[in-house]
Amino acid sequence: QTVVTQEPSFSVSPGGTVTLTCGLSSGSVSSSHYPSWYQQTPGQAPRTLIYSTNYRSSGVPDRFSGSILGNKAALTITGAQADDQSDYYCVVYIPSSRNWVFGGGTKLTVL
Amino acid sequence: QMTLKESGPTLMKPTQTLTLTCSFSGFSLRTSGVGVGWIRQPPGKALEWLALIYWNDDKRYSPSLKSRLTITKDTSKNQVVLTMTNLDPVDTGTYFCVYSPPPGTILTYWGQGTLVTVSS
Repeated sequence: QTVVTQEPSFSVSPGGTVTLTCGLSSGSVSSSHYPSWYQQTPGQAPRTLIYSTNYRSSGVPDRFSGSILGNKAALTITGAQADDQSDYYCVVYIPSSRNWVFGGGTKLTVL
Repeated sequence: QMTLKESGPTLMKPTQTLTLTCSFSGFSLRTSGVGVGWIRQPPGKALEWLALIYWNDDKRYSPSLKSRLTITKDTSKNQVVLTMTNLDPVDTGTYFCVYSPPPGTILTYWGQGTLVTVSS
């Protein structure tokens, strides 16, 4: 059973930079897993921020960026704003079984 | 513009079978590489991928729920249907449908979701 790990919570000051990560229990996350990142506020559907590692979805500010850092996928928010306070989820595609696994999500606080 | 909308019952009893419909527009499931999937989220918990069906009727299921799920498509109606058997209160949550563009490795556009409560 593949498990995707994320930090349960993170805090960043307004204007600061934060990097959230997304790891795999069974090894390293690579571009072959097409990692994506989603932002979700309470009561709303998730919003796609980043797909295929580092492609920003339409309308997403460039302060959001995706990458592979070491053996994990990463979402970096540069110049955090108050309305970035949300839950962030990553998902990885498992090529061998052609299915997807979500991480447990990171609750980001901006204060 | 791509839109997806989920519909189905809001209240179910344990052991019943749930049928949810995703109605979409702005794309076609006849297009090579396209897929439509389902994801759920229990209240206050994380997202969980459930199933996805591709343009060529290839179907993928979450290993942990595979025995209880069936996903089908009606291309002429632009709809995808998910059935889940033997419901339990732990199946309570919001169910989202999602679009997967070619080549079918990412999940991009989401529906607004529909809340399903399972209770006796």
